[in-house]
Amino acid sequence: EPEVTQTPSHQVTQMGQEVILRCVPISNHLYFYWYRQILGQKVEFLVSFYNNEISEKSEIFDDQFSVERPDGSNFTLKIRSTKLEDSAMYFCASMGTASQPQHFGDGTRLSIL
Amino acid sequence: QKEVEQDPGPLSVPEGAIVSLNCTYSNSAFQYFMWYRQYSRKGPELLMYTYSSGNKEDGRFTAQVDKSSKYISLFIRDSQPSDSATYLCAMSLSNTGNQFYFGTGTSLTVIP
Repeated sequence: EPEVTQTPSHQVTQMGQEVILRCVPISNHLYFYWYRQILGQKVEFLVSFYNNEISEKSEIFDDQFSVERPDGSNFTLKIRSTKLEDSAMYFCASMGTASQPQHFGDGTRLSIL
Repeated sequence: QKEVEQDPGPLSVPEGAIVSLNCTYSNSAFQYFMWYRQYSRKGPELLMYTYSSGNKEDGRFTAQVDKSSKYISLFIRDSQPSDSATYLCAMSLSNTGNQFYFGTGTSLTVIP
């Protein structure tokens, strides 16, 4: 069964450094998402991406965050200057059509020191 | 308001029991309702996907949506130790690619 893959599985970064989280969505999917889950808390929406542009973003997704689909297969989340509170699991999701559910990757655990 | 409420548990049941998991929500505009299962250090795995009110059955799993009460349920029949996981409810406003709103998740342990 096709799946969403995320790399790396664990990223440790010094505060203030830039980090790029990578995702390969399911082939032929058109909608792409990033969510995060702080330990013990809800899965929170960050951003959705469709037709090569951001379609929706949350208050969390401030100027320090950006997303890109650099080629036909990858979808990346960049955090420009990481803060301690950015430590969380980051999940990528993709969806085929607007009436289908989202499928999630296994996440990248981001630890900011 | 777009809050989704879910009892975090933990819930512990003997193998073979029927499990009932529930979520309530406040926004009557939610139309699509999902249940995901999440194992430790893994991503959410889709279990059930329903639109509007009614029941949907898939093997041992049954999802119910009651939009008039703003209440959704997931029933697991003949529960197995492999069902031990965190169960997340999620919902969305429409089918235009909108974000999903998640509950906090209910931790379930099925004891052999």
